[in-house]
Amino acid sequence: KAGVTQTPRYLIKTRGQQVTLSCSPISGHRSVSWYQQTPGQGLQFLFEYFSETQRNKGNFPGRFSGRQFSNSRSEMNVSTLELGDSALYLCASSLYGDPDTEAFFGQGTRLTVV
Amino acid sequence: TQLLEQSPQFLSIQEGENLTVYCNSSSVFSSLQWYRQEPGEGPVLLVTVVTGGEVKKLKRLTFQFGDARKDSSLHITAAQPGDTGLYLCADPPSGTYKYIFGTGTRLKVLA
Repeated sequence: KAGVTQTPRYLIKTRGQQVTLSCSPISGHRSVSWYQQTPGQGLQFLFEYFSETQRNKGNFPGRFSGRQFSNSRSEMNVSTLELGDSALYLCASSLYGDPDTEAFFGQGTRLTVV
Repeated sequence: TQLLEQSPQFLSIQEGENLTVYCNSSSVFSSLQWYRQEPGEGPVLLVTVVTGGEVKKLKRLTFQFGDARKDSSLHITAAQPGDTGLYLCADPPSGTYKYIFGTGTRLKVLA
């Protein structure tokens, strides 16, 4: 079966701009979570969605937002980009988002802010 | 807030050598997972350990969960260049719907 698909794979943006990243989960998976990965901070949780509802949010500023559509696809948006937002953004999908169902990660979107 | 510390942070070894990486938590795990992330890819699940003292083997990889469920180790026997990557331990979601990842061990195996 098809894996988790993230688009685009690479993105270069200028400070102050906004960006939207997309994640298509594995068919049938209803939970999608997002993570930011940087060399200094490692993998940090951004938010998790299940059936279009955000169930948890990490400690990121309000410039980071997300949503999930009825087909479980998810988008995350970062407004007013800062240099420090440069990172690999990963999404993971699972059936229910609980410890008993395995999460599968996409290849990520590499965002560079200049 | 739970913290997962991994050691060593970096490891560069020759093909054929053995190695062990460690994951230590500030609190008790309900269960623990190990992932490997190769360059340009997302993390891929290697194993889940649940019971204190549990040992699981995956070919040349041996995973051990501490008796008190606050630490874990990953031992690789006769490392190969294909083992190169970032090894992450993680506390799976338990009511919070989020993974807590360790700081990671970046392994490079030289041919």
